[in-house]
Amino acid sequence: EPEVTQTPSHQVTQMGQEVILRCVPISNHLYFYWYRQILGQKVEFLVSFYNNEISEKSEIFDDQFSVERPDGSNFTLKIRSTKLEDSAMYFCASSDNQGISSNQPQHFGDGTRLSIL
Amino acid sequence: GQQVMQIPQYQHVQEGEDFTTYCNSSTTLSNIQWYKQRPGGHPVFLIQLVKSGEVKKQKRLTFQFGEAKKNSSLHITATQTTDVGTYFCAGGNNAGNMLTFGGGTRLMVKP
Repeated sequence: EPEVTQTPSHQVTQMGQEVILRCVPISNHLYFYWYRQILGQKVEFLVSFYNNEISEKSEIFDDQFSVERPDGSNFTLKIRSTKLEDSAMYFCASSDNQGISSNQPQHFGDGTRLSIL
Repeated sequence: GQQVMQIPQYQHVQEGEDFTTYCNSSTTLSNIQWYKQRPGGHPVFLIQLVKSGEVKKQKRLTFQFGEAKKNSSLHITATQTTDVGTYFCAGGNNAGNMLTFGGGTRLMVKP
């Protein structure tokens, strides 16, 4: 079964540094998402992306965050100047065509654990 | 903004007992999805409910969507140790493809 793949599995970075988290969504999917999950807490929506632009974003997704689809397969999340509170598991997800009136099931990758020191 | 609450936060059951988790949204949802996350794993899609009052079954799991499309429940009959994990509901809005996840219910099953 096709999978969403994420790299790296674990990233350790000094506070203030930039990080790029990478994702390869399922190949025929058109919608891409980033979520974060602070240890032991709920999954929080960051951003959705469709047709090479941001579709929706949450309050968490401020100016330090950006997303990009640099080629036909990768989908990246960049955090410009990391803070201690950015430490979390970051999940990428993708879904098929959006239904007319409802969301489509989202397929999650295994996540990147980001640790800010 | 939209808020989705889930109760209980934790549930310990003896293997063979039933389990239910409840989900409530502050706003009317276009649809609700349920995901299961095993310890150390990623959320895995279980099911989507779209219609008011909808009930769907997957083997021992029964999912319901409330008449007002603001609440939902997941019921597991005769739990097994393989049911261990955190169950999240996630509400979809009418505007787009954003999902708002509930806080999750962590299920622990004693053999």
